[in-house]
Amino acid sequence: GENVEQHPSTLSVQEGDSAVIKCTYSDSASNYFPWYKQELGKRPQLIIDIRSNVGEKKDQRIAVTLNKTAKHFSLHITETQPEDSAVYFCAASISNFGNEKLTFGTGTRLTIIP
Amino acid sequence: NAGVTQTPKFRVLKTGQSMTLLCAQDMNHEYMYWYRQDPGMGLRLIHYSVGEGTTAKGEVPDGYNVSRLKKQNFLLGLESAAPSQTSVYFCASLLGASGHNEQFFGPGTRLTVL
Repeated sequence: GENVEQHPSTLSVQEGDSAVIKCTYSDSASNYFPWYKQELGKRPQLIIDIRSNVGEKKDQRIAVTLNKTAKHFSLHITETQPEDSAVYFCAASISNFGNEKLTFGTGTRLTIIP
Repeated sequence: NAGVTQTPKFRVLKTGQSMTLLCAQDMNHEYMYWYRQDPGMGLRLIHYSVGEGTTAKGEVPDGYNVSRLKKQNFLLGLESAAPSQTSVYFCASLLGASGHNEQFFGPGTRLTVL
């Protein structure tokens, strides 16, 4: 089955700086890569996703890049703010008729230092 | 629109006891999922359903059973709880149509097995 590795497990950055979280996946058939944000005690929420036919996607201060050849994808957060502090999870799946059976990474705890 | 709800929010069981966790969604989503979240291990898929009356095993199905008798409900059962099943359980649902990839998560159930 699919295996997703995520690094680093913890990350601290100064407010206003950029943060980068990296994930690798093992199954070359995976074609959907979402990122979820989970605040303390809350449910995971989708923040951005990318499909394998796209190399990069941006949404305001967040962006995701995908390298299919190397089987890795990354989350980039620019101009970080205190509300960006949370645990971030990457995931990968093989889309099957709309079904997304996700395999998650182990998470990155991001702390923004004011 | 309540989205995805889970009942109960917290539960403490003794080893060997049984219980059922209820997940309900009012978005007419086709697919539903049960995950468990343990520290340092991300979210792992227990069972999922691709439609009313169907269920399938995920990554960590042992010790759990599920049922999807109605489209809006997905039940997770523990027949004989073990301390290793102490975890936070999240339910999620997905529309199941092309272009709609986001899994919407419930608020979670914190289960402790003594």
